[in-house]
Amino acid sequence: DQQVKQNSPSLSVQEGRISILNCDYTNSMFDYFLWYKKYPAEGPTFLISISSIKDKNEDGRFTVFLNKSAKHLSLHIVPSQPGDSAVYFCAASAWDGNQFYFGTGTSLTVIP
Amino acid sequence: ETGVTQSPTHLIKTRGQQVTLRCSSQSGHNTVSWYQQALGQGPQFIFQYYREEENGRGNFPPRFSGLQFPNYSSELNVNALELDDSALYLCASRPSGPRGLAGSADTQYFGPGTRLTVL
Repeated sequence: DQQVKQNSPSLSVQEGRISILNCDYTNSMFDYFLWYKKYPAEGPTFLISISSIKDKNEDGRFTVFLNKSAKHLSLHIVPSQPGDSAVYFCAASAWDGNQFYFGTGTSLTVIP
Repeated sequence: ETGVTQSPTHLIKTRGQQVTLRCSSQSGHNTVSWYQQALGQGPQFIFQYYREEENGRGNFPPRFSGLQFPNYSSELNVNALELDDSALYLCASRPSGPRGLAGSADTQYFGPGTRLTVL
């Protein structure tokens, strides 16, 4: 039972444009959400997070939006850079749980 | 401040064997989790340790076991290896206690992983 879903396995964007990565979840108990970036042969690297009490969190070029009613979050990267090319994982956790649930990832390619 | 480290980087075992993977948590982090990432999938939670005790477990059989040591290093042991155990095994640490105890929502920091191949 996949509680966190990333329905786009891959995304290609021109350098300088906006990249939008999407994530959907099914568990209404989730209250903390994160995005991780993963390069080949490395572990996931934390990128940005958001608590369910917010609907937006921004960190430099990265912004995460949370729509609780739709159980949907998205990661915006503006402007996209070639170094952003990686696999991006969405993850979520519930206040009474210990594990993070991950999506299957979206492979982003930023074309120079 | 050192990050999360894991050893070995790669490992090849045969079906039925046992394996031990090691992790050294980030300095000051007292909670460690282990994840299995199969090819093309996201990381799947195996279990979490806090103060040397298992504190949460995912949908993995008992042949997956672990230990956490006072210096916050930890081990993942897998007995009776099966072909489907071939995956990247990730260790992640966090500075505070597990959610539900501390109520915190801080971030997990991952190590580079151990690539296990079972033949």
